[in-house]
Amino acid sequence: QSVLTQPPSASGTPGQRVTISCSGSTSNIGSNVVNWYQQLPGTAPKLLIYSNNQRPSGVPDRFSGSKSGTSASLAISGLQSEDEADYYCAAWDDILNGPVFGGGTKLTVL
Amino acid sequence: QVQLVESGGGVVQPGRSLRLSCAASGFSFRIYAMHWVRQAPGKGLEWVAVTSYDGSNKNYADFVKGRFTISRDNSKNTLLLQMNSLRVEDTAVYYCARDSTSLIVVGELDYWGQGTLVTVSS
Repeated sequence: QSVLTQPPSASGTPGQRVTISCSGSTSNIGSNVVNWYQQLPGTAPKLLIYSNNQRPSGVPDRFSGSKSGTSASLAISGLQSEDEADYYCAAWDDILNGPVFGGGTKLTVL
Repeated sequence: QVQLVESGGGVVQPGRSLRLSCAASGFSFRIYAMHWVRQAPGKGLEWVAVTSYDGSNKNYADFVKGRFTISRDNSKNTLLLQMNSLRVEDTAVYYCARDSTSLIVVGELDYWGQGTLVTVSS
């Protein structure tokens, strides 16, 4: 059971906008920034969004993040087939004294 | 460019030990905190351990405390994970990852290695 809660799956058609939610508690999302990771099939995770809503260099602006209270969300607009991947939210946890992850959301592009 | 290359994985019997290595290059290894994160087959990501940039502070997930030890050799740009008393449930791909901000731990992992598979089985 993961500390952060994400839906196990999400889907959309090319060009659509999809959102993935992430729910936590006061010791993690409520107190710290949220990061999102993208894991393409058979590859290592990659930092997609950091500090709630910042994109590393090279990440398209189709990807955006937001946070409110103890929840966060990742939005992907103009969905493309290459966006098909697993997405993980994460945040530092002040009780565990380490980063905690969501269980991951498998995004399917129909 | 930043590169992290893990090695040392393999098949090991329950109760035995294994040591993983992560060779870092392309950045000033000695000023960044480093993490180990694992992923069981078909499962999600699970944080394992972190070491500060100088090795003076370390922290572990509860499920590995007392069994795993994270360490680093800044003279060799190498991160290590000594895994003792291995259990079947430790079977996973183990990734090393860099903490994004120099000199402190923020838990934002900006570079990851390709991972090394550890299989614990009798």
